[in-house]
Amino acid sequence: EIVLTQSPGTLSLSPGERATLSCRASQSVSSSYLAWYQQKPGQAPRLLIYGASSRATGIPDRFSGSGSGTDFTLTISRLEPEDFAVYYCQQYGSSPPRFTFGPGTKVDIK
Amino acid sequence: EVQLVESGGGLVQPGGSLRLSCAASGFTFSSYWMHWVRQTPGKGLVWVARINSDGSSTSYADSVKGRFTISRDNAKNTLYLQMNSLRAEDTAVYYCAREGGVSSRAFDIWGQGTMVIVSS
Repeated sequence: EIVLTQSPGTLSLSPGERATLSCRASQSVSSSYLAWYQQKPGQAPRLLIYGASSRATGIPDRFSGSGSGTDFTLTISRLEPEDFAVYYCQQYGSSPPRFTFGPGTKVDIK
Repeated sequence: EVQLVESGGGLVQPGGSLRLSCAASGFTFSSYWMHWVRQTPGKGLVWVARINSDGSSTSYADSVKGRFTISRDNAKNTLYLQMNSLRAEDTAVYYCAREGGVSSRAFDIWGQGTMVIVSS
């Protein structure tokens, strides 16, 4: 079973700064099946990135995803006040079908 | 508006049963694979179960296999999760989510969640 590890656990930054979040897999993951989500308190997660680098509908271009194999990155180019939240990566493995989430990275205001 | 609305959560005793529902609107429900994902308060997200578009194929997390059953009624645009033999560790917010496509296997639409508390 593939395990996803996210780092750092918490990222303290100021609005306008760049955020770089890491997601590492215990085994190689298909880039087609790596996604990133944003979750704010009391809300459901929101899809940001799918296929490692494709932005979901309505997601601002300050969010970008990259990576392949076992190492993936979510970058927020300039943090807006509404971007302070928890971010999760997620992967799909097919044999057997399994969907795994990372433990999350909290981006909070410095 | 594309929307998923869960219902059916509540307080149940260990060993008890509960059925969650998820009403879909604003999209062609019968064309999409659907999932249940849960989140323990203050913790991360855990995938629970998946069903394909016509209901003929299902998959489960090991932690719920044999106890939970995912199903759907495409005529009613509704997804279900039958939960039996509930345990304290099943306490969580349960979300239904739409799988955006077999090419991505990502969850592009989520409901607001329904809370399940398993306690005596």
